[in-house]
Amino acid sequence: GDSVTQMEGPVTLSEEAFLTINCTYTATGYPSLFWYVQYPGEGLQLLLKATKADDKGSNKGFEATYRKETTSFHLEKGSVQVSDSAVYFCALTDQAGTALIFGKGTTLSVSS
Amino acid sequence: NAGVTQTPKFQVLKTGQSMTLQCAQDMNHEYMSWYRQDPGMGLRLIHYSVGAGITDQGEVPNGYNVSRSTTEDFPLRLLSAAPSQTSVYFCASTLSGAQGFGGYTFGSGTRLTVV
Repeated sequence: GDSVTQMEGPVTLSEEAFLTINCTYTATGYPSLFWYVQYPGEGLQLLLKATKADDKGSNKGFEATYRKETTSFHLEKGSVQVSDSAVYFCALTDQAGTALIFGKGTTLSVSS
Repeated sequence: NAGVTQTPKFQVLKTGQSMTLQCAQDMNHEYMSWYRQDPGMGLRLIHYSVGAGITDQGEVPNGYNVSRSTTEDFPLRLLSAAPSQTSVYFCASTLSGAQGFGGYTFGSGTRLTVV
């Protein structure tokens, strides 16, 4: 079945460092891909999405490109802030979008 | 615009008790789903629905029942609570893919402890 694999955490960075969180997927057809963020004690918020190959999703300085040839959707940010400390989830759906399949999450901790 | 509303926010149950976690959305979303979040496991799909009267099982459906009598509501029932069901539960909704898929909107979660 469909699945998502993300890099294990925690990821610990200093403020203004470059961030990459790797995400690869296995799916039939052409899934939509997502990054969700969960701040401490809160629910999940959609960070960015891409619905077809070579699409780039971006939001709040974060970017990810849908790479069908490598089945990847890596999350990047050029300069992280303390406020970016959270758990990040990579996810996919099938084309009908009936439900989300999540990776296990990567905890990011940014220190000043 | 309330979005997705889950109640209660916290609940403690004794083993064997039953209860219903409520989920309501006011965005006229067709698709709704329930997930549980456990440490190191990410979020796993319990049940989902693609419209009123239509439900289906996800990855971890055992011990849970759902129904969808209206577009707005999608309650999750624990039939006989077990300690293994201690978790944080999230409800989510979205427009169908045919209407343009913008991504799921999540509720704030219900933290359930079974003792």
